[in-house]
Amino acid sequence: NAGVTQTPKFQVLKTGQSMTLQCAQDMNHEYMSWYRQDPGMGLRLIHYSVGAGITDQGEVPNGYNVSRSTTEDFPLRLLSAAPSQTSVYFCASNLSGEQGNTEAFFGQGTRLTVV
Amino acid sequence: GQQLNQSPQSMFIQEGEDVSMNCTSSSIFNTWLWYKQDPGEGPVLLIALYKAGELTSNGRLTAQFGITRKDSFLNISASIPSDVGIYFCAGQLKANRDDKIIFGKGTRLHILP
Repeated sequence: NAGVTQTPKFQVLKTGQSMTLQCAQDMNHEYMSWYRQDPGMGLRLIHYSVGAGITDQGEVPNGYNVSRSTTEDFPLRLLSAAPSQTSVYFCASNLSGEQGNTEAFFGQGTRLTVV
Repeated sequence: GQQLNQSPQSMFIQEGEDVSMNCTSSSIFNTWLWYKQDPGEGPVLLIALYKAGELTSNGRLTAQFGITRKDSFLNISASIPSDVGIYFCAGQLKANRDDKIIFGKGTRLHILP
């Protein structure tokens, strides 16, 4: 049982480049989310999904797209990277209320630097 | 939007001391969660609280879900070096299918040699 798996662990991008951060979970969780972590800012929600085919914006969605074609995968796309998107990104998944407990499980994080 | 105020932002303590940190919110939550993050790792759940007034322990950790459902605290007794890290509180509302988890900004715990 791998839990939540994020790839890559590290990435350097040039301004304007695009890329996709991958996130996969094998716990059959309905709910998945993406956070960014910046010094002194805690964890801020970017986008989340309550199930396959359903996504919604979080606190800081601008510059990011998501999709949820399967229960297992929730990729985060940066369309045109900017230095302000330099951050550590965490993917999380949890059971929705209907399925039971709702603790979120986090991946190991992706450290992204945009130069 | 919903916000959590977590305090203190950082703590410097001696090994063996007890630690207390708390979170408050202007909103009511149905679930309070406490996480710890070690350097270079993702947050890991320490304690989950589901009922107002609930007091739960996990080893040297004790957390409580406030009666008003707008606050929670985490205590660590007899701190040890491996307690160093960032502690996050999180609240979850669970309105309909919207299970957003809102995080505090974290309490960074330092243990002095």
